[in-house]
This record gives sequence, C-alpha cells and structure tokens, in this order.
Amino acid sequence: DGGITQSPKYLFRKEGQNVTLSCEQNLNHDAMYWYRQDPGQGLRLIYYSQIVNDFQKGDIAEGYSVSREKKESFPLTVTSAQKNPTAFYLCASSMAFQPQHFGDGTRLSIL
Amino acid sequence: AQSVTQLGSHVSVSEGALVLLRCNYSSSVPPYLFWYVQYPNQGLQLLLKYTSAATLVKGINGFEAEFKKSETSFHLTKPSAHMSDAAEYFCAVSASIGNEKLTFGTGTRLTIIP
Repeated sequence: DGGITQSPKYLFRKEGQNVTLSCEQNLNHDAMYWYRQDPGQGLRLIYYSQIVNDFQKGDIAEGYSVSREKKESFPLTVTSAQKNPTAFYLCASSMAFQPQHFGDGTRLSIL
Repeated sequence: AQSVTQLGSHVSVSEGALVLLRCNYSSSVPPYLFWYVQYPNQGLQLLLKYTSAATLVKGINGFEAEFKKSETSFHLTKPSAHMSDAAEYFCAVSASIGNEKLTFGTGTRLTIIP
C-alpha cells in the first residue's frame, strides 16, 4: 500500500543533542512538508519542499534543518538550537492540485 | 494571508445527536478549505475539501460542510453522531488546493456521550 512512513514513532533527545526524524513516502508525490503540533496550537509549518534539492522555510523554521536529496525522503533534524523541541511532528506530502496526505507522526521528548 | 478560527476547543454531543463544528476563515484570495480528523497518536486524515466547485461538500464517514462566503464560514456537520466520531478535528485553509501554505485552526476535540 502507498503511504507515508515516519520513524521512529517515539524519540528522546538529550540536552545539546541533534536528532533526525525520518519521513519516507512511496506515493510519488512531488511536495513534502513538516509540521509541529503542540496541544491547543494546531499544526505549524516548519519546512516544505516542492522539488528535489529545494526547500523553503515555513513559519517556525528556527532550530530545524531539512534535506531533500531524493523524491521519496524528507528528513527533519531538530538541532540543539531548538530550545523547546518537545512536540508531535507530522510529515505530509502532496501532488500538485491535490490535498496533503499525512504520516502517523513522531513524538519527540526531552530526557 | 490566510487564517482560520475554530470556535470551541471542546465539543460534546450525545450519540445520535447532530454534530456541528464551527470554522471561520480569513483569506485575501478565494480560499480552498479542508477538514481533517485526527485520532489519538495518529496523523491527520482528510474528511472533505472545498475547491469552489460546489458550496455543499460531502465527505467521508457521513460528514459534510457548507461554504458560506457571506459569513466566511465552513462549518462541519454530521446528522447523527457515532461513538467512532470521537477525535480531534482541524479546519485548514490555503490559497490553492496543493499549496504549501496550509494554515490550520487550533482544533476541536469532539467527545461523544453514550
């Protein structure tokens, strides 16, 4: 079945440590997105990519980095510069002129 | 710029009763509007979308929404609530259907009372 796979489902980060969240899709979608979800705040866009080797900052990009070396993959790195990284992270993808499809998320916590 | 306001962070209805979840939007261009549902510890699933073809949009699981330009609203309804409808619901707006700038509301948690 086609879909979006996010891994791991749960992730723990130590202070000062970078961590990378994986997002893989086999839907042949051109665009991919990363959102952060906090209780009571809905989803906020971190980064998005409309084509391989290109990406743009969203509304809350500080403390995060991404890469898009392959169409299927859009990993998100939460750097030590992100002072409040505890959240639920959602990856999405879409074809042109179609709604976004979402993965099942990664929950990041600080040890 | 687009924005979405969802009135009521928590809504409770009895099983079999009408479900009404409110969404008002602000957009500088004709909007594309979406409703998504999220079950605990899962991603978002598309319920329905408005893309200017028809003002009354039917979605999955018996949900529908009506676009009212004069009221800048896109409220979600279901005639008869089922226990399986308990989830969090998000309204979202964008300037185009596949646009990267998908702006979400803060969500409404729906509880179904047996």
